Amino acid sequence: KQEVTQIPAALSVPEGENLVLNCSFTDSAIYNLQWFRQDPGKGLTSLLLIQSSQREQTSGRLNASLDKSSGRSTLYIAASQPGDSATYLCVTGANSKLTFGKGITLSVRP
Amino acid sequence: NAGVTQTPKFQVLKTGQSMTLQCAQDMNHNSMYWYRQDPGMGLRLIYYSASEGTTDKGEVPNGYNVSRLNKREFSLRLESAAPSQTSVYFCASNGKQGIPWTEAFFGQGTRLTVV
Repeated sequence: KQEVTQIPAALSVPEGENLVLNCSFTDSAIYNLQWFRQDPGKGLTSLLLIQSSQREQTSGRLNASLDKSSGRSTLYIAASQPGDSATYLCVTGANSKLTFGKGITLSVRP
Repeated sequence: NAGVTQTPKFQVLKTGQSMTLQCAQDMNHNSMYWYRQDPGMGLRLIYYSASEGTTDKGEVPNGYNVSRLNKREFSLRLESAAPSQTSVYFCASNGKQGIPWTEAFFGQGTRLTVV
C-alpha cells in the first residue's frame, strides 16, 4: 500500500526566502507525481506534474523534482511571497489510484 | 472549458436523510474519484472508477454508494446520512485512452454538514 508523507505539517518563513517542501513515498512503482496547492476553503489547484520518466518540472518560481529510486520529491519555491501562503499537497499516481500526502501548510510572513 | 464540476457546493442534511452528490468532467477522462477531506486527516479516497462501468472501494467506503453513469458523470450517494459524514467532498478525474496517468483535476468541492 502506497504511503505518502509530507513533513513538516506546517512551515512559516519570511518573505523572499527560497524554500523546499519535501514529499516521500513508499512505493516507487508510480506513473507520475503531482503537486497541488489548496487555499483555505477552496479546491485543489494543480501546480506541476512530473511523469515517472522525468526528473523535474518548472513553472515560473516553482520547480519540482522526482527521485523514484529514493522515493522522494521536492517542490522548490523561489523568492517566496505572502501570496504563496497555502497548503501544498503531493500525490502519486499508480494502480488506478491517487495517493495523497496530508500536506504542508505554508505561511509566508510579509 | 469547465473541467470538473460538482453540485451542490453546500448542503445541510438531517441525520438519516439521503442525498446524491453529482460530478461531471468534460476532459474525456477515463478515471474518476471521490474523496473526503477532514481536518487533520487529509484527503481520503471513498470510491473510484477506473473506467466507465467499473467502480472500486477506496479507503473509507462505508456509508456511501457510487454510480458511474457514463464516461462523464460519477455520482456519490449517501443513503442515510450520519454526523460522521460531515466533511468536504471532492471529485477528481484523470487518465485518457492509452495514457492512464495524465494530470488530475479536481472539482471545487461540496461542503456537507449533517446535523
